[in-house]
Amino acid sequence: DAGVIQSPRHEVTEMGQEVTLRCKPISGHDYLFWYRQTMMRGLELLIYFNNNVPIDDSGMPEDRFSAKMPNASFSTLKIQPSEPRDSAVYFCASSYGAGGYTFGSGTRLTVV
Amino acid sequence: ILNVEQSPQSLHVQEGDSTNFTCSFPSSNFYALHWYRWETAKSPEALFVMTLNGDEKKKGRISATLNTKEGYSYLYIKGSQPEDSATYLCALTNSGYSTLTFGKGTMLLVSP
Repeated sequence: DAGVIQSPRHEVTEMGQEVTLRCKPISGHDYLFWYRQTMMRGLELLIYFNNNVPIDDSGMPEDRFSAKMPNASFSTLKIQPSEPRDSAVYFCASSYGAGGYTFGSGTRLTVV
Repeated sequence: ILNVEQSPQSLHVQEGDSTNFTCSFPSSNFYALHWYRWETAKSPEALFVMTLNGDEKKKGRISATLNTKEGYSYLYIKGSQPEDSATYLCALTNSGYSTLTFGKGTMLLVSP
């Protein structure tokens, strides 16, 4: 298995633009998580899905952030409009049940 | 909201030194504790999952202990090597269905 695959690895965009981050979880994993990593807050959980259904999105910073999981093999995290304070590394992770997480390589987002 | 504390925040040791760091957590409603190793520019990689009080796990020169009654876990590295340089994260879950709450990590730098 190729592991959790995220794209793009790096994204530089201008303030106000829409940004879409993508994630392909490990086949057979039933949980998918989106995390944001910053120096100030460490790893913050944004949202997670179980069997493609969003379970808890209380960590999503504001309405500019949205996430979807249309099927078991794909999820997106969208920021519209993006702002400089959204600059961070965004990680996707998947797990089977209550097992440990497997993380993707992350997307480093820079909003200028 | 679970409060997972890690100390120290960072640590700089010489090659060959043994070192340890701490993860503290609320002892009530404990389910499992995870340790991850996170190298710069890579994704967090699972080291151990611990569930029972008194658990001790070992992987090469790295070992971990767990005390669920007093709410702490120690991670030990024997004879540190430069390749051990990474951020070590602990994460807690208080049920089989809840997400992991991460600490902010201990950043270890091992100098040759």
